[in-house]
Amino acid sequence: DAKTTQPPSMDCAEGRAANLPCNHSTISGNEYVYWYRQIHSQGPQYIIHGLKNNETNEMASLIITEDRKSSTLILPHATLRDTAVYYCIVRVRGDDKIIFGKGTRLHILP
Amino acid sequence: GAVVSQHPSRVICKSGTSVKIECRSLDFQATTMFWYRQFPKQSLMLMATSNEGSKATYEQGVEKDKFLINHASLTLSTLTVTSAHPEDSSFYICSASGITGILRDTQYFGPGTRLTVL
Repeated sequence: DAKTTQPPSMDCAEGRAANLPCNHSTISGNEYVYWYRQIHSQGPQYIIHGLKNNETNEMASLIITEDRKSSTLILPHATLRDTAVYYCIVRVRGDDKIIFGKGTRLHILP
Repeated sequence: GAVVSQHPSRVICKSGTSVKIECRSLDFQATTMFWYRQFPKQSLMLMATSNEGSKATYEQGVEKDKFLINHASLTLSTLTVTSAHPEDSSFYICSASGITGILRDTQYFGPGTRLTVL
C-alpha cells in the first residue's frame, strides 16, 4: 500500500500557483519524499525530491514540514500543460521500488 | 539527460501470441529497471524489478512464466508477454535508475507501450 495520502483532485487557475498537499505521517527517518506527475497516456515524469529541507528546481518547489509528516508541492505559475495526475511518494532513495497511490488529478482552468 | 525509451509505443496482437517490449536507458547505465502496468483510470502497478545479470523479482500475483523479463545489459531490459489474452491489454511502462548521483536516487520512466490483445 502507498504510504501517502493526497486529495483526489484539485483545480487551479492558469497563471496562479498550484499547491498540492501530501500527508506521509508514517515516514521513516531514511525515506525521501518524491513527486512525479503523469500526463495522460504518457510515462510518469520526475519533478523533485527532498529529505527534510525545502527544495526548488526549475519545475517546482517542495516544502516539507519540520516533523516531516506532510509536504506541499508548489508549481509557481501553473499553465494548461501542467494538467496531470501528481503522485507523492516516500521511499529510500536509490533503487528502491515505487508504490504508486492514486495521486491528485490537477485541473488547470483557463 | 536521463532518457528512457520504449519500443514499440503501441502494439496490437492476436490472442495466444507473444509480444516483446523493449526498455532502453539512452544516456545512462541502469543497474535496476522496473516494469509497471496501468489499466484505464487506475494508478501504476509494479509488476517486477530486474537487476542487470540476475533474475527478476516479481510482485505478488504477477505470473513469472507469463511475463518474462530479461535484463541482459546495463541499458536494455525486455518484457515478453507470453500467450497474450485480452485481459493482458494494458499500458506497460518501464523505469530505470542509474549507478551514481541523482541517477541513482531517481527512477526515470519510459513513455509506455499500449498493448491491445484482440
